[in-house]
Amino acid sequence: EPEVTQTPSHQVTQMGQEVILRCVPISNHLYFYWYRQILGQKVEFLVSFYNNEISEKSEIFDDQFSVERPDGSNFTLKIRSTKLEDSAMYFCASSESRGGIKVFFGEGSRLTVL
Amino acid sequence: GEDVEQSLFLSVREGDSSVINCTYTDSSSTYLYWYKQEPGAGLQLLTYIFSNMDMKQDQRLTVLLNKKDKHLSLRIADTQTGDSAIYFCAEWPPGNTGKLIFGQGTTLQVKP
Repeated sequence: EPEVTQTPSHQVTQMGQEVILRCVPISNHLYFYWYRQILGQKVEFLVSFYNNEISEKSEIFDDQFSVERPDGSNFTLKIRSTKLEDSAMYFCASSESRGGIKVFFGEGSRLTVL
Repeated sequence: GEDVEQSLFLSVREGDSSVINCTYTDSSSTYLYWYKQEPGAGLQLLTYIFSNMDMKQDQRLTVLLNKKDKHLSLRIADTQTGDSAIYFCAEWPPGNTGKLIFGQGTTLQVKP
């Protein structure tokens, strides 16, 4: 079955550094998402992306976050100046359509900010 | 606002049935989902149900939806130790641009 792949699986960074998390969505999918899960908490929506622009973003997705689809396959999440509270598992997801059906998640990228 | 609630923990014996429950607030949600997360792994889509259905069966999994009570359940028949994981309920409210609302997850412990 096709899958969403994410790199790196784990990244450790110093507070204030920039981090880029990468994702390769399923190839025929058109809608892409980032979610995060702080340890012990709910999985939270960050942003959705379609047709090369942000469709919706949550209040968590402030100016330090940005997303990009730099080429036909990658979808990236950039955190400009990391804070301790950004430590979390970040999940990329994709779906064929916005209306639901199947939303597939990657394995996640664990970010640890020291 | 939108919210999804689940009990935090369920323990069953191998071979028994497990029932994981979830309540949600948005009665107009179009789809409801169950995801499984094994330790250190990502979110695996187990099954989903469209809001105009009240039951869906897929091998050992049975999803029941009570729209009136806004209650969703996942029944796992003949639970195995490999079913030990965290199970997340999620809803897809209508009219938004792709935001799934997740519950806090139910940890299922299967004892041999």
